[in-house]
Amino acid sequence: EPEVTQTPSHQVTQMGQEVILRCVPISNHLYFYWYRQILGQKVEFLVSFYNNEISEKSEIFDDQFSVERPDGSNFTLKIRSTKLEDSAMYFCASSATGQDTDTQYFGPGTRLTVL
Amino acid sequence: ILNVEQSPQSLHVQEGDSTNFTCSFPSSNFYALHWYRWETAKSPEALFVMTLNGDEKKKGRISATLNTKEGYSYLYIKGSQPEDSATYLCASKAAGNKLTFGGGTRVLVKP
Repeated sequence: EPEVTQTPSHQVTQMGQEVILRCVPISNHLYFYWYRQILGQKVEFLVSFYNNEISEKSEIFDDQFSVERPDGSNFTLKIRSTKLEDSAMYFCASSATGQDTDTQYFGPGTRLTVL
Repeated sequence: ILNVEQSPQSLHVQEGDSTNFTCSFPSSNFYALHWYRWETAKSPEALFVMTLNGDEKKKGRISATLNTKEGYSYLYIKGSQPEDSATYLCASKAAGNKLTFGGGTRVLVKP
């Protein structure tokens, strides 16, 4: 069964460093998403991406964040200068369409620890 | 602001017993309700997507109902087994693509 994959599973970085989180969505999907969960809090939406551009973003997704689909398979989230409060589990998801009834399939997450 | 709440936060169930828990969401600007099952270190697994008031969905021993007028959904587990131990997440979808998640209900099934 097709699945969303994410690498690395765990990333440790120093405050101020840039990190790139990588995702391989399900191959025929057209919509891609990033969510995150800070420890003890709810899963929260960051950004959605369709047709090579951001279709929606939350207030969390400020200028420090960017997303890219550099080739036909990868979808990346870049944090330019990490802060302590960026420590969280970051989930990538994809869906075939953006319709209301369409399932968003999630990857296993990348745990980002900022020291 | 779309606020999705789940209760209880956690529950312990004896193997073989049935259980249920709640997801509440704003009924205005509602498009769909998603349920996920999430085991630690694994991907959240999609269980159901429901849109219509009165919808009922079933997958094995797990089922869900939806009341869009009052803004709640129940998830039921019949005859709980240890492998049902997981965190169950609900997420509401309004206009747009984003899902707004509740805090989850952590279920522990004791043998």
